[in-house]
Amino acid sequence: EVQLVESGGGLVQPGRSLRLSCAASGFTFDDYAMHWVRQAPGKGLEWVSGISWNSGSIGYADSVKGRFTISRDNAKNSLYLQMNSLRAEDTALYYCAKSPGDLDAFDIWGQGTMVTVSS
Amino acid sequence: AIRMTQSPSSFSASTGDRVTITCRASQGISSYLAWYQQKPGKAPKLLIYAASTLQSGVPSRFSGSGSGTDFTLTISCLQSEDFATYYCQQYYSYPITFGQGTRLEIK
Repeated sequence: EVQLVESGGGLVQPGRSLRLSCAASGFTFDDYAMHWVRQAPGKGLEWVSGISWNSGSIGYADSVKGRFTISRDNAKNSLYLQMNSLRAEDTALYYCAKSPGDLDAFDIWGQGTMVTVSS
Repeated sequence: AIRMTQSPSSFSASTGDRVTITCRASQGISSYLAWYQQKPGKAPKLLIYAASTLQSGVPSRFSGSGSGTDFTLTISCLQSEDFATYYCQQYYSYPITFGQGTRLEIK
């Protein structure tokens, strides 16, 4: 079964850092691009960042550029999101998702991990 | 960034109805458009990609059309399980962007 499982979320103070992880199983991880998408409570979907299969192509939303860093470890079938200088507006459920190419539709999503930024 | 605008933002319909949701891109995106369905407390589910290609396992009552800047998602005969929120997404260029969502409610 194809599965994506996010972890690492929690309550963090403004200005602090957090690292999210996404463990992939059931497919050949290094054949696919990966993405992070977030959803603030009661709001719509916002793409955060994406990375190609070999990390050669990376993109970020303007809202997180310079603060968040996406990375992947194909040997560990894992995707990461390092989030620095967190703000209240980063509070959201963070999903990881896979796509056949870095600019492609997201065919499988995880269930998400919640990040709450509050003092 | 390419802005995606969906209409309507919400509406009510009855089981058996034919419904259409529209999505407009602020610039041409060829056919690099996907539609997702999201139910409360669940992750989004891919319905359609490349504007009109049905994802494997998605019922044939769902269909998509359009290219360039104007796109539509049609559900030919609403079923109870179709009441959800629908999002369009462009993947023509970074940053990838979503529409604001269309909430489909039971009348």
